[in-house]
Amino acid sequence: DTEVTQTPKHLVMGMTNKKSLKCEQHMGHRAMYWYKQKAKKPPELMFVYSYEKLSINESVPSRFSPECPNSSLLNLHLHALQPEDSALYLCASSQGQRDRFNQPQHFGDGTRLSIL
Amino acid sequence: RKEVEQDPGPFNVPEGATVAFNCTYSNSASQSFFWYRQDCRKEPKLLMSVYSSGNEDGRFTAQLNRASQYISLLIRDSKLSDSATYLCAVNSLTSGTYKYIFGTGTRLKVLA
Repeated sequence: DTEVTQTPKHLVMGMTNKKSLKCEQHMGHRAMYWYKQKAKKPPELMFVYSYEKLSINESVPSRFSPECPNSSLLNLHLHALQPEDSALYLCASSQGQRDRFNQPQHFGDGTRLSIL
Repeated sequence: RKEVEQDPGPFNVPEGATVAFNCTYSNSASQSFFWYRQDCRKEPKLLMSVYSSGNEDGRFTAQLNRASQYISLLIRDSKLSDSATYLCAVNSLTSGTYKYIFGTGTRLKVLA
């Protein structure tokens, strides 16, 4: 069982809808990540949060809006998505970006998103 | 040249075979290295961290060669259940933040 929990597991939405993806971890990790993965490709980093502050935005379109309400939770708010945004969205966490930067990331099992 | 490169395969090997994958990286300042296993339509699962001294976990051995800038994964006595995509992840400091760069992944098929 993964220690990073993502909901929902599957999401189908229209291009005008607003929805949110949620991620939760209770390992005391202080760095959290959002990735997008298309079929037969590696995960592609979108955002990095360190100590609840956004530290990397990989030039992600503004229709994706991340939020880190506290150290255990990470959300990804979706609005006006395009069909090409259909993908597996993965959340990950790691111990931290400071003295524990060499520790690995642990992934949730993802949300499979389909845009109609 | 990509920052992290892997042979995409597929590597088709019989059960019981030994198979090895390499992953090369271009950023000499890369800090830490990992192998993940990903099954079809599932999330990447951490297989091993890769240490400078090399490390072994059962049938799996990982090595790091900083001089030549590559990491390797050796699987001995392959099982059917080892069939998966193996992703290397290179953790590097970029603009003050550590982030992974993944290789494209190497597909392994173990045949009965």
